[in-house]
Amino acid sequence: KQEVTQIPAALSVPEGENLVLNCSFTDSAIYNLQWFRQDPGKGLTSLLLIQSSQREQTSGRLNASLDKSSGRSTLYIAASQPGDSATYLCAVRPDIYPNSGYALNFGKGTSLLVTP
Amino acid sequence: EPEVTQTPSHQVTQMGQEVILRCVPISNHLYFYWYRQILGQKVEFLVSFYNNEISEKSEIFDDQFSVERPDGSNFTLKIRSTKLEDSAMYFCASKKGRGITDTQYFGPGTRLTVL
Repeated sequence: KQEVTQIPAALSVPEGENLVLNCSFTDSAIYNLQWFRQDPGKGLTSLLLIQSSQREQTSGRLNASLDKSSGRSTLYIAASQPGDSATYLCAVRPDIYPNSGYALNFGKGTSLLVTP
Repeated sequence: EPEVTQTPSHQVTQMGQEVILRCVPISNHLYFYWYRQILGQKVEFLVSFYNNEISEKSEIFDDQFSVERPDGSNFTLKIRSTKLEDSAMYFCASKKGRGITDTQYFGPGTRLTVL
């Protein structure tokens, strides 16, 4: 059974720092991996999606990498801002032949606080 | 930008009562999902729905749960007889296609409190 783990569980950094969030998964048979942002009491917003054949994706100050064989992904946030404060979730979509699995399997998230 | 909407935002019910959570997916999307998140826990998959039938469901999605797309726009989750442990945030999501880059778009959630 696929297990998705995120480290650290919580992180507090001063504004302007670069930071890395980690995600690991136990089964490398994935279709893709996504990073989401969740604000308190709100829904999930997709930040980046990395296909299983890709190594990284970038969007603005965010860069996500994927090492499928070792079961790891990182989310790099450059020049952090207070507005980046949120919980960041990693989710994998399993690759199940003949159709890719429909369900996303989530980690528990990293709660990020960026202080001014 | 189109978005997934959910109603109500907060539902309080007594144990044993039936509840229906409503979602309006993005209009040209074909795949629909329900997830739940118990306070402090992971987001957990419940069920996926495509072409008017369930395509996958988790162990959580037992006989007490059902889903329906009663018309061309709504997607509902019914819990027949609620239990205390059903208290959670319930998220609806929709997706346009099955391609490798197709992402699920999530609604803001319904907070269900069972007393």
